[in-house]
Amino acid sequence: ILNVEQSPQSLHVQEGDSTNFTCSFPSSNFYALHWYRWETAKSPEALFVMTLNGDEKKKGRISATLNTKEGYSYLYIKGSQPEDSATYLCAPLPMTTDSWGKLQFGSGTQVVVTP
Amino acid sequence: EAQVTQNPRYLITVTGKKLTVTCSQNMNHEYMSWYRQDPGLGLRQIYYSMNVEVTDKGDVPEGYKVSRKEKRNFPLILESPSPNQTSLYFCASRDNRGTSESGKNIQYFGAGTRLSVL
Repeated sequence: ILNVEQSPQSLHVQEGDSTNFTCSFPSSNFYALHWYRWETAKSPEALFVMTLNGDEKKKGRISATLNTKEGYSYLYIKGSQPEDSATYLCAPLPMTTDSWGKLQFGSGTQVVVTP
Repeated sequence: EAQVTQNPRYLITVTGKKLTVTCSQNMNHEYMSWYRQDPGLGLRQIYYSMNVEVTDKGDVPEGYKVSRKEKRNFPLILESPSPNQTSLYFCASRDNRGTSESGKNIQYFGAGTRLSVL
């Protein structure tokens, strides 16, 4: 089982403020890192897939960076809005073919944006 | 429209009564997977399938069975459900061909099945 850690577990953010949180994973045997956004009463939806060290992806006000050498990824939300309230999950995809099927998720960071 | 369809969405059953949760995808994906979500524990993988007739255990397979007789369907079977299997279940699929850069490895999730075992 991969040790995937997300911190903090939860965040309360004032509307308009920016925030960020972390996903840590074993840096060895790394292939790709997935970020998913999971709104209450819905199913998780993919945000980003990142593979390269130093990679940076952006979708609107949300962006993510990746450091494969030290095994972490940051997700940033700029100017948070109430619709950004969700649980954000990360999932590293290991490189070895015998664990290719095991996309293991972190426990998530729950973001609550209050007006 | 790309879809992963789970049925039923809600199910209340009793201990020991066999049940099946169906999952179907219309994207011709090779890979399918089942997860359960419990408070404080995140998404945990139960079983996955890399292709037809190829299945393997995830992290929490005990008490579950799966089958993959055709590409689009991946049912989850609880032969003798117990109360500790009360949970929210998600089916997911992804395209294992191509590279992550092409975005083809992202997972598409079903809407979830909330199961209560009394």
